[in-house]
Amino acid sequence: ETGVTQSPTHLIKTRGQQVTLRCSSQSGHNTVSWYQQALGQGPQFIFQYYREEENGRGNFPPRFSGLQFPNYSSELNVNALELDDSALYLCASSSPSTGRDTEAFFGQGTRLTVV
Amino acid sequence: QKEVEQDPGPLSVPEGAIVSLNCTYSNSAFQYFMWYRQYSRKGPELLMYTYSSGNKEDGRFTAQVDKSSKYISLFIRDSQPSDSATYLCAMIKAAGNKLTFGGGTRVLVKP
Repeated sequence: ETGVTQSPTHLIKTRGQQVTLRCSSQSGHNTVSWYQQALGQGPQFIFQYYREEENGRGNFPPRFSGLQFPNYSSELNVNALELDDSALYLCASSSPSTGRDTEAFFGQGTRLTVV
Repeated sequence: QKEVEQDPGPLSVPEGAIVSLNCTYSNSAFQYFMWYRQYSRKGPELLMYTYSSGNKEDGRFTAQVDKSSKYISLFIRDSQPSDSATYLCAMIKAAGNKLTFGGGTRVLVKP
């Protein structure tokens, strides 16, 4: 088991609602990345936070936003939920000395279902 | 076309066999190559990572990278039923910070 914890583990929301997912990074890790994994697909990079600043973003619309707190925990917020947002949301923490996620450790994920 | 391609399987092998997995990629900027294992309803678990071309061995696992062919492989020796999972390859560019994943290969090791 990694030291990365995510909450909640499962969530059901209605289309148009807003959702907040939470992640506690592994001790000593200052970088948190969020990924979306649709059923049967590989994870897709949403964005990364390093020392409370966004440090790169994937091809996701602005209704996907995030925060990182001074203790390096993080939140992913999704507004105006769509059915296609149904997926496993993964948080990964790392402490890259060179800015690369070569040893990123993932949490167990939050399964979001939008109905 | 996806940057990283991976056969979705499923790949079914008898216990004790060698499992051979591979990924191809299109972007020569990828420099770091990872393999993750993902059990059902769990997050991915890092197995190994390799920098540039070459081989790396860790217990029953061997990772190979051939940058000239843009092809990476993972071999699992003496496979066990507990190796049944989805295996994901991932890669990072030299100046990048995000993992680009393949779609995953589902492996089933039968007792």
